Amino acid sequence: DTAVSQTPKYLVTQMGNDKSIKCEQNLGHDTMYWYKQDSKKFLKIMFSYNNKELIINETVPNRFSPKSPDKAHLNLHINSLELGDSAVYFCASSQATGDLPGTQYFGPGTRLLVL
Amino acid sequence: GDSVTQMEGPVTLSEEAFLTINCTYTATGYPSLFWYVQYPGEGLQLLLKATKADDKGSNKGFEATYRKETTSFHLEKGSVQVSDSAVYFCAIHYGNNRLAFGKGNQVVVIP
Repeated sequence: DTAVSQTPKYLVTQMGNDKSIKCEQNLGHDTMYWYKQDSKKFLKIMFSYNNKELIINETVPNRFSPKSPDKAHLNLHINSLELGDSAVYFCASSQATGDLPGTQYFGPGTRLLVL
Repeated sequence: GDSVTQMEGPVTLSEEAFLTINCTYTATGYPSLFWYVQYPGEGLQLLLKATKADDKGSNKGFEATYRKETTSFHLEKGSVQVSDSAVYFCAIHYGNNRLAFGKGNQVVVIP
């Protein structure tokens, strides 16, 4: 009965590779997010989708491409991985109506290490 | 833009001690304020929230009061337990369901 799930949990890969992280939520929410958390725990939003439409696109290299096939899924594809991409990536979801705006539900994170 | 600032550095304290983590905000208007907690190896969880001046959010023995006059939302707990060891993030909602997070404070509670 996991609310927001991510796969994989750990990802170790070489520089230059292309990888994807998947996220699914079973809360019926209409908005999903990707965050990046660096080694100092600083959390920065990358993207947000509402009903499969991109609504937030922060200053992120275009090697990162989100894709939302439906409201319950938001995937993140990363091309040509660099050392600086090593971080924990969190998926989150929220509901535009009902919950207090700003109430978000986070997945367990994907720990990416680029060697 | 809207932002929050948390006190610098980790916090280490003994079990049953009093915990305070400072958070101040900069915002136009009257944003909602939040504390999120991240336990080791997990994602963030909402701990408590407040929507307007003088609101007090509370959960699991933690409290924070929305203070408009000092633009603050300090987190407090009267008697911490080892299980409270985590990273605590202050956050502000600044529209379109966006959250801006503070840098987080690592709290370590020693038995």
